[in-house]
Amino acid sequence: DSGVTQTPKHLITATGQRVTLRCSPRSGDLSVYWYQQSLDQGLQFLIQYYNGEERAKGNILERFSAQQFPDLHSELNLSSLELGDSALYFCASTSTGANVLTFGAGSRLTVL
Amino acid sequence: AQKITQTQPGMFVQEKEAVTLDCTYDTSDPSYGLFWYKQPSSGEMIFLIYQGSYDQQNATEGRYSLNFQKARKSANLVISASQLGDSAMYFCAMREGYLTGSNYQLIWGAGTKLIIKP
Repeated sequence: DSGVTQTPKHLITATGQRVTLRCSPRSGDLSVYWYQQSLDQGLQFLIQYYNGEERAKGNILERFSAQQFPDLHSELNLSSLELGDSALYFCASTSTGANVLTFGAGSRLTVL
Repeated sequence: AQKITQTQPGMFVQEKEAVTLDCTYDTSDPSYGLFWYKQPSSGEMIFLIYQGSYDQQNATEGRYSLNFQKARKSANLVISASQLGDSAMYFCAMREGYLTGSNYQLIWGAGTKLIIKP
């Protein structure tokens, strides 16, 4: 167990729908990162939060949004889902000054 | 241009043999970090080893070592005495500007699928 908790583990939904993925970072980690892993694009950085504030943005679509709450858990919201959004979505966390990202087990999203 | 290149899409290795997974990188930033992660078929991403650009010695973690050749911009992962449980996807990743502490984004290679044969 990495200490980073992601729910749900699997999610199947239809095109046009909206889903929310949840992440609890390791105890004490202030930074949360979201990554998308798809077959055609590999692993891509989506967004980073640090202590509740957005720190960096990567290849995140406008249909996607995220936030980090005061208790440091984070949610990634995916709306108007398309078939191409099917992917494994990872959350990772790190402590201030640390080099290594610790990943959760991922949330596998299937859009039908 | 690709920042991280893993030229081996797949490898078969006999159990107990050593294996080297290749990774080359491209950056103009003098401060960067290189990482290897393992992704078994179950999907989770497991950190294996890290090398900073200013580290004088090659990193080692148990059976894993990183053959860091800065001039060649390569950071190959060496797994000694491979085991059946080593069968997985292996990803090389880079983080630029790590000394400034501002950029924690990882840039990933395409991965190498390693299969250990009994």
